[in-house]
Order: sequence, then structure tokens, then C-alpha cells
Amino acid sequence: GENVGLHLPTLSVQEGDNSIINCAYSNSASDYFIWYKQESGKGPQFIIDIRSNMDKRQGQRVTVLLNKTVKHLSLQIAATQPGDSAVYFCATNFGNEKLTFGTGTRLTIIP
Amino acid sequence: KAGVTQTPRYLIKTRGQQVTLSCSPISGHRSVSWYQQTPGQGLQFLFEYFSETQRNKGNFPGRFSGRQFSNSRSEMNVSTLELGDSALYLCASSLANPEDTQYFGPGTRLTVL
Repeated sequence: GENVGLHLPTLSVQEGDNSIINCAYSNSASDYFIWYKQESGKGPQFIIDIRSNMDKRQGQRVTVLLNKTVKHLSLQIAATQPGDSAVYFCATNFGNEKLTFGTGTRLTIIP
Repeated sequence: KAGVTQTPRYLIKTRGQQVTLSCSPISGHRSVSWYQQTPGQGLQFLFEYFSETQRNKGNFPGRFSGRQFSNSRSEMNVSTLELGDSALYLCASSLANPEDTQYFGPGTRLTVL
């Protein structure tokens, strides 16, 4: 069945350090992957996406890595700031148009 | 460009009542999807509308329904509310195609007493 999971429910990182949030998926038919950030009281905010024909994609301070062999997705945030504290979700569409979300990792940046 | 807007932001209802939530997509976006977010189940897909037609549907009972208007605005309705329907209901809009990025609104927090 369809399943998307995050490896750690919580993660604490010192301000200025890099953080890595991991996500695993089960369906090899997945062809589109997205990372969202959700701050308290707000809806999920798009961070970065990647399609299955790519292994890596970079944005501003963020990098998404896709390993299709082991069905693993990661989000790297460089030089973390207090504003990066939020819940991060990975999502994928399993090739059937609707997004399926992981359970989320709560990232806390320690000043 | 204005983002996705949802009204109301907060709502309190009692069991058995019905509720209608509204979503206005980003200008030019024609696809609207609805999600339910709870601490226990996370984000779960309800349904997606495109060109006033339901294009995709999640695994929710028939008490959950929706519609889309010609201006792409969408509403979702929940009838015969149950305590377990308490959740954050999120609307997301995208241009048109399934692979287009979805942008979320702030959500409507529904509490059923």
C-alpha cells in the first residue's frame, strides 16, 4: 500500500549547524516529491520539490536528495536559523495524482 | 499575488450539525484540493476539484463533500458532525495538473463539541 514515513518525529539542532531530515517511501511508482514546512498556526509552506528523474536539487539554504534505489528522500537545511523551527513534511504522489504526506518531523533550532 | 485564503479560520460546532468551509485559490489556479490534518492521522487527502468536477477522492465517508465554482473557489461540507471530525482543514491550490506544486491556505480549525 501507499506509505510515506519520516525517520524521526523530532530533531534538535544548534543554530548555525546543518540539519538533515529524512523520509522513506514505499511505492516505486512515485515520481514527484515535495517538502513542506509548517509553522504553528499556519498551513504547510512549499519549500522545494524534486522529480524522479533527478537525484539532487538545491534551493536557498536547502537541498533535497532523492535515492530511488532505497526509496529515500532527505532535506538538508544549511546554517539553520531560529525561523527554521517548524514541522517538516515530505509528500509524494505515488503516480496517481493525489499527494500522500509523511507524519512530519518537528525541527527545533537551539539558540 | 494573494495566497490561498480560507474562511472561517476557526469554527465551533456540536455533534450532529453540519458545516461549510470555503477556499479561494491563488488567482489563475484551477485545481483545489482539501486535506484534513489531525495529530493522530497527520495530513490526509479528502478530494480534489478541477473545472468544477471532482477529479480525485480520498478515503473519507460520504458525510464529507465538496464542490467548485466557475471562478475556481471551492467549498467543502461536512454533515452530521462527529467528535472525530475536529481537525484543521486545509485547502491547497495548484495551476491545473497533478504534478503542479500545491500551495496551502492557513486552514480552518474545526472543533466539534
